[in-house]
Amino acid sequence: GAGVSQSPSNKVTEKGKDVELRCDPISGHTALYWYRQSLGQGLEFLIYFQGNSAPDKSGLPSDRFSAERTGGSVSTLTIQRTQQEDSAVYLCASSLDRGDTDTQYFGPGTRLTVL
Amino acid sequence: SQKIEQNSEALNIQEGKTATLTCNYTNYSPAYLQWYRQDPGRGPVFLLLIRENEKEKRKERLKVTFDTTLKQSLFHITASQPADSATYLCALDMPDDKIIFGKGTRLHILP
Repeated sequence: GAGVSQSPSNKVTEKGKDVELRCDPISGHTALYWYRQSLGQGLEFLIYFQGNSAPDKSGLPSDRFSAERTGGSVSTLTIQRTQQEDSAVYLCASSLDRGDTDTQYFGPGTRLTVL
Repeated sequence: SQKIEQNSEALNIQEGKTATLTCNYTNYSPAYLQWYRQDPGRGPVFLLLIRENEKEKRKERLKVTFDTTLKQSLFHITASQPADSATYLCALDMPDDKIIFGKGTRLHILP
């Protein structure tokens, strides 16, 4: 079956603009995660959705970042008034559930470049 | 706070030899630890999970060990091949249900 997909694959924007990144998780997966990966760095947790529960936003770096998950499926990560330090690869992952051992399946990522 | 440390330098291993990668953590002992592989321009791919009560887990040419006393996991690739060249990430769970990842180790298998 189809894996996790993300769009766009690349996004170049000017400082101060807003951007929206989209994630389509694997069908039936109830848990969805957003991470950020900067060059040479590990994955930085941003936000986590589990079913209909309120998302865990504790990883969002500032109030310019927000995310939604509509209908328990597709998720959108929005970055307002982008800054150059927002440049990174944004990865989305989904898992069947948030059991304590669930495997995360990652999408290919969106490479964001803020000029 | 919890920190994960992986070999910061790239690891060069001759083809056919065993590659050993290290993952150390500092504080909280996780219930489980995962290893992922990441190729350039792609998202990580899950390889193996080992629980706190397991000493060793194997999958084909891969072997993972977990020593909660040393706060360390070792990831071994036996009979290494150039196709094994990639970045390998370890990840562990936290009490608040988040999963944190190390920065990864770049592995180069030399033909």
